[in-house]
Amino acid sequence: EVQLVQSGAEVKKPGESLKISCKGSGYSFSTYWIGWVRQMPGKGLEWMGVIYPSDSDTRYSPSFQGQVTISADKSISTAYLQWSSLKASDTAMYYCAGLSTISAGTWFDPWGQGTLVTVSS
Amino acid sequence: DIQMTQSPSSLSASVGDRVTITCRASQTISNYVSWYQQKPGKAPKLLIYAASSLQSGVPSRFSGGGSGTDFTLTISGLQPEDFATYYCQQSYTMFTFGGGTKVDNK
Repeated sequence: EVQLVQSGAEVKKPGESLKISCKGSGYSFSTYWIGWVRQMPGKGLEWMGVIYPSDSDTRYSPSFQGQVTISADKSISTAYLQWSSLKASDTAMYYCAGLSTISAGTWFDPWGQGTLVTVSS
Repeated sequence: DIQMTQSPSSLSASVGDRVTITCRASQTISNYVSWYQQKPGKAPKLLIYAASSLQSGVPSRFSGGGSGTDFTLTISGLQPEDFATYYCQQSYTMFTFGGGTKVDNK
């Protein structure tokens, strides 16, 4: 079974750093793009960025460029999303998802279960 | 950036109803549209890709249509488990999600 399993919920203070993870199993992790999606409380889905684990080619949404860092370690089939200095506005649920592509587009499937990040003083 | 405008943002319907949700792109995007269902506290679930292709395991009452700038998701015969929020997503240029449509019980 193709599966993405994310790390657990985090509670942090403003200014702290954080790295959350997304571990893939059941498929060749290196050869499929992984994306990260933010969902703020009560709000919609926002695409943050994607990474190709085989060579760590990374693309960011302009809205998130410079705000977060996406990385991957193909040796352990894990992608990461990290912040160097959290803000209260980073409080959200963060999902990772695998990307599938054909000539008619790209979609997110499967999805991880989500990691809730709470930033509060 | 390509914007995806979903309408309505919410709707009330009854079991058995036919429900149609619309997504309009700010520029032509061929058929590079996917649709997702999200229930409270759960991750989104892929329903439709390439505008009209049904994801494996998704009930046939879900269908997608459209091309260019205007797209639809139709639920033919709403079931109790279909009360949820639905999102469209374009992949013509990077990715953008629509704002979502919440379907609740009338």
